[in-house]
Amino acid sequence: AQSVTQPDIHITVSEGASLELRCNYSYGATPYLFWYVQSPGQGLQLLLKYFSGDTLVQGIKGFEAEFKRSQSSFNLRKPSVHWSDAAEYFCAVAAFGNEKLTFGTGTRLTIIP
Amino acid sequence: KAGVTQTPRYLIKTRGQQVTLSCSPISGHRSVSWYQQTPGQGLQFLFEYFSETQRNKGNFPGRFSGRQFSNSRSEMNVSTLELGDSALYLCASSPNSGLAGFIEQYFGPGTRLTVT
Repeated sequence: AQSVTQPDIHITVSEGASLELRCNYSYGATPYLFWYVQSPGQGLQLLLKYFSGDTLVQGIKGFEAEFKRSQSSFNLRKPSVHWSDAAEYFCAVAAFGNEKLTFGTGTRLTIIP
Repeated sequence: KAGVTQTPRYLIKTRGQQVTLSCSPISGHRSVSWYQQTPGQGLQFLFEYFSETQRNKGNFPGRFSGRQFSNSRSEMNVSTLELGDSALYLCASSPNSGLAGFIEQYFGPGTRLTVT
């Protein structure tokens, strides 16, 4: 079965610093990979997705992610975080033959001034 | 364009009761998926409906059921509520189903269900 691991439960970064959130997946076929953000009391918002093509994908709000098949990873990055980026971030995966979205446990991001 | 709406936003029920949650998708979207979010289990897929047919189902007991109407609105029903059913229930809509649907999927704000 497909699975997603987000090893970092909570990350704290200073405003203006760079950010990298880790995501590792487990699935044999080429996965469809997603990053979502959830602000308190809100639903999920899709930040970016990968399913084919260029392995470096750009998303909304200045986020990007790189698909690395050799490492089974899809890490989310942002060069300079803003206080409004404080939220919970979820990585998710789906694939042919298992068309159910499987989510990681999430990483809570705290921004300090 | 209006987003995905879910009603009610908050609900308190007693063990053993049943509950029905509603989701109105974005206009033109034919797929509605439901997810359960709890602190212990995280985000878990419940089921997906597309054009009034259930296309996919997660690993939940039969107490959890759903349906979709001809206008694409969807309802989720949980019978014989248990304390562990307390969760945020999210629905998401998309123009397409399955993998193609995930590429353009929009979530509602959720219904917070508390079972006492």
